[in-house]
Amino acid sequence: NAGVTQTPKFQVLKTGQSMTLQCAQDMNHNSMYWYRQDPGMGLRLIYYSASEGTTDKGEVPNGYNVSRLNKREFSLRLESAAPSQTSVYFCASSEQGPKRPQHFGDGTRLSIL
Amino acid sequence: SQQGEEDPQALSIQEGENATMNCSYKTSINNLQWYRQNSGRGLVHLILIRSNEREKHSGRLRVTLDTSKKSSSLLITASRAADTASYFCATDASGNTDKLIFGTGTRLQVFP
Repeated sequence: NAGVTQTPKFQVLKTGQSMTLQCAQDMNHNSMYWYRQDPGMGLRLIYYSASEGTTDKGEVPNGYNVSRLNKREFSLRLESAAPSQTSVYFCASSEQGPKRPQHFGDGTRLSIL
Repeated sequence: SQQGEEDPQALSIQEGENATMNCSYKTSINNLQWYRQNSGRGLVHLILIRSNEREKHSGRLRVTLDTSKKSSSLLITASRAADTASYFCATDASGNTDKLIFGTGTRLQVFP
């Protein structure tokens, strides 16, 4: 019963490098989300996907791109990493519609030097 | 910007005591959810309360909602060391009830 799986769990990058964070869910959920969590800031939404083939910007989308590859997978790409993007990144999924709880992966801890 | 602000930011209690965390938010909501986050892990959904509900219970959890004051509280009764975690409230974003806006969280430490 995997739920939401994120890879990698840890990553260190140099400024200017690119990388893709992977997320997959096995709950047949339509909606998927990418958040970042910084100390004292709670979680902030980066991008959201209501269904396969659709994506929408969240609160802090600058410097990121996303791809909803299929219903299961939703990836987050940093094209040119910056130190300000050092954070813990969480992927989540939910059934579509109001009052649906979100299910989270265990996060990717990303440090950019 | 954060929709919800939790209070207190940190709380330390002994096992067996009750823990109360408060959440205030800024705009009208359809529902409010509470999540728990253990250290190094993702968030786990605890309970959802709808805007037309005033109180809801789930095991040792009791959630209240006062829409006139735009505030909610989470009470954990008879706390255990395993309740040590951060707790976040989350409200639905205006115009899109799939999105959530999370507060800044309360860090709860329960000492054995």
